[in-house]
Amino acid sequence: KNEVEQSPQNLTAQEGEFITINCSYSVGISALHWLQQHPGGGIVSLFMLSSGKKKHGRLIATINIQEKHSSLHITASHPRDSAVYICAVPIQGAQKLVFGQGTRLTINP
Amino acid sequence: NAGVTQTPKFRILKIGQSMTLQCAQDMNHNYMYWYRQDPGMGLKLIYYSVGAGITDKGEVPNGYNVSRSTTEDFPLRLELAAPSQTSVYFCASSYGFGTGANEAFFGQGTRLTVV
Repeated sequence: KNEVEQSPQNLTAQEGEFITINCSYSVGISALHWLQQHPGGGIVSLFMLSSGKKKHGRLIATINIQEKHSSLHITASHPRDSAVYICAVPIQGAQKLVFGQGTRLTINP
Repeated sequence: NAGVTQTPKFRILKIGQSMTLQCAQDMNHNYMYWYRQDPGMGLKLIYYSVGAGITDKGEVPNGYNVSRSTTEDFPLRLELAAPSQTSVYFCASSYGFGTGANEAFFGQGTRLTVV
């Protein structure tokens, strides 16, 4: 079993829809990372969170430490949100990250 | 700020050729990483370093070598390129993830094709 599992693997939605991407992990963590990768592009960090909720613009990330689960929400989705979203958790004394397989999000106009 | 700079962006190698992927960061991060990303797969750790002069293997180190002579630079060497090494390679750096307050910074990636 992977230490980090994301769902769904692929998600297609219409512009304006509310999007939820889920991440479950099996190890104890100090914080969980959400990353974004645009097609053919680099990877950028969206959030780090260890409890509760964080919000940046239309993006909201939540985490439940007891349930070892995090969600990434996008409100009023837009085609420019189309990307791969990746969650990651630190392991091995927090020296490195282990990544989920990513969720490919496509927002159609 | 330059952040993490990777070169080259694209490269085509013939089987058996060698090359070095360059990675430099200007944030004085102790931790640096090399990942590969195969189509439809998650990022896999090749090698990492917790400081100058210290490197360690990740999940998929075979066929690669690294060195870390300075804090800033962490080159990845492919000695005898094989088609299985066709992938997108990402370098990353961080202050470490223990406190939960330190994010990871990634380079733009190197798309490598071995033919």
